[in-house]
Amino acid sequence: EIVMTQSPATLSVSPGERATLSCRASQSVRSNLAWYQQKPGQAPRLLIYGASSRATDIPARFSGSGSGTEFTLTISSLQSEDFAVYYCQQYNNWRTFGQGTKVEIK
Amino acid sequence: QVQLQESGPGLVKPSQTLSLTCTVSGGSISSGDYHWNWIRQHPGKGLEWIGYIYYSGSTYYNPSLKSRITISVDTSKNQFSLKLSSVTAADTAVYYCARDQGYGLGWFDPWGQGTLVTVSS
Repeated sequence: EIVMTQSPATLSVSPGERATLSCRASQSVRSNLAWYQQKPGQAPRLLIYGASSRATDIPARFSGSGSGTEFTLTISSLQSEDFAVYYCQQYNNWRTFGQGTKVEIK
Repeated sequence: QVQLQESGPGLVKPSQTLSLTCTVSGGSISSGDYHWNWIRQHPGKGLEWIGYIYYSGSTYYNPSLKSRITISVDTSKNQFSLKLSSVTAADTAVYYCARDQGYGLGWFDPWGQGTLVTVSS
C-alpha cells in the first residue's frame, strides 16, 4: 500500500496570505495525484487532478505541482471560503488518501 | 450533470451486515469507462477507499477490507451497492459513493453527500 503523508497537520493563515500544503508518497505515484477540499458536514470536493490540473470551476488561486513522491498544493491568496481540510489522494496503485491538512484562520 | 445519492440504514448491530445503495442520476451507470466507488470516513478522521465496481460487474477492493466486502451493480436501476459483513464499532463512519474516471484516471468526482452509519447494539 502506498502511504500518503501530509504536512503540516494544521496550517494557520491570515486571509489574503499564501498557503502551501505538502503531500509525500511512500513510493513514486508519477503524476497520479489529486487534491480535495472538505468543509464540515460536506463531501470532499475535487480541486486538482493529475497533480496540476484544476478541476472544473476551481478558482485559479488553487494550484498543484510535483511528481513522483513530492507534491504541493498552493492557495495563492486565501479567501474566507478556503478555510477547510485538504486531502491528497494517489491513484497510481489502487487509491489511498493522506490524513489531511486543516487550514485555519490565524 | 451526474449526481450520486447514498441510502441505507443509519444503525447496524455488531456482527451484522451493513448494506448501502448509491443511486446515480443525470447519467447512465453503464456509459463510459467509469468506476463506481465506495469511500468511508471515520468520525473526525481521514478518508479510506473501500473499493469500486465497473458496470460490467468487475470489482476491485481495498485489500485490508477485501474479506468482508461485496460491491454489486444493478444497471436497470442505475444503482450500485455495498455490503460489509461482520461489522464492529470500528466500521462506524460516514460512507460516500463516488465516481472515478476509469482506468488510470482514478480521481473522485462527483461524490454523494455521504451517509452516517453507526454500529451499535
